[in-house]
Amino acid sequence: NAGVTQTPKFRVLKTGQSMTLLCAQDMNHEYMYWYRQDPGMGLRLIHYSVGEGTTAKGEVPDGYNVSRLKKQNFLLGLESAAPSQTSVYFCASSYDSVRGWTEAFFGQGTRLTVV
Amino acid sequence: GDSVTQMEGPVTLSEEAFLTINCTYTATGYPSLFWYVQYPGEGLQLLLKATKADDKGSNKGFEATYRKETTSFHLEKGSVQVSDSAVYFCALSDRAYGQNFVFGPGTRLSVLP
Repeated sequence: NAGVTQTPKFRVLKTGQSMTLLCAQDMNHEYMYWYRQDPGMGLRLIHYSVGEGTTAKGEVPDGYNVSRLKKQNFLLGLESAAPSQTSVYFCASSYDSVRGWTEAFFGQGTRLTVV
Repeated sequence: GDSVTQMEGPVTLSEEAFLTINCTYTATGYPSLFWYVQYPGEGLQLLLKATKADDKGSNKGFEATYRKETTSFHLEKGSVQVSDSAVYFCALSDRAYGQNFVFGPGTRLSVLP
């Protein structure tokens, strides 16, 4: 069972460069999320999606864009990377909580350094 | 908006010691509560959950009880092992808040042999 897969696992960017992080899930989940993890701040939600073709802003969306053209994929883009975007990025997915609860399944993370 | 507060670490314990990590929350609706664990270099894994008041979640010797009256979900383990060394995150999911997961800052636990 692959679960949630993120690519790449590591990346170093120069300031101003662009890149796309890919998240793929094989559990047919409706919801997908992008978080960033910074020391002492836990996980902060960047963007999320409640289904194919939909996206919404989270707590810290500035400087990022997302797309969900297929249900199983959720892409996070950085158009012009800044050192403040140095972080570990996690993708997660969950099923709809119509039965009262759900849980988030996480990928292994992408460690991004912007120099 | 919804939020989660948990005790700051790091926490350092000797093997077989008792562990408590405090967690409190604020939520708009009636959230589900979770503890996630992150081992070095890995993503977060669900440790345990509780979906309604007075529910007790348990797994691998860890326990936490959903206390609605005190808005708390404290994590406990009676006897920690070196292999429990990790970062622990308290989290909630509130359908009234768009089914997003809100995480606390994490507590780093180190267990010494």
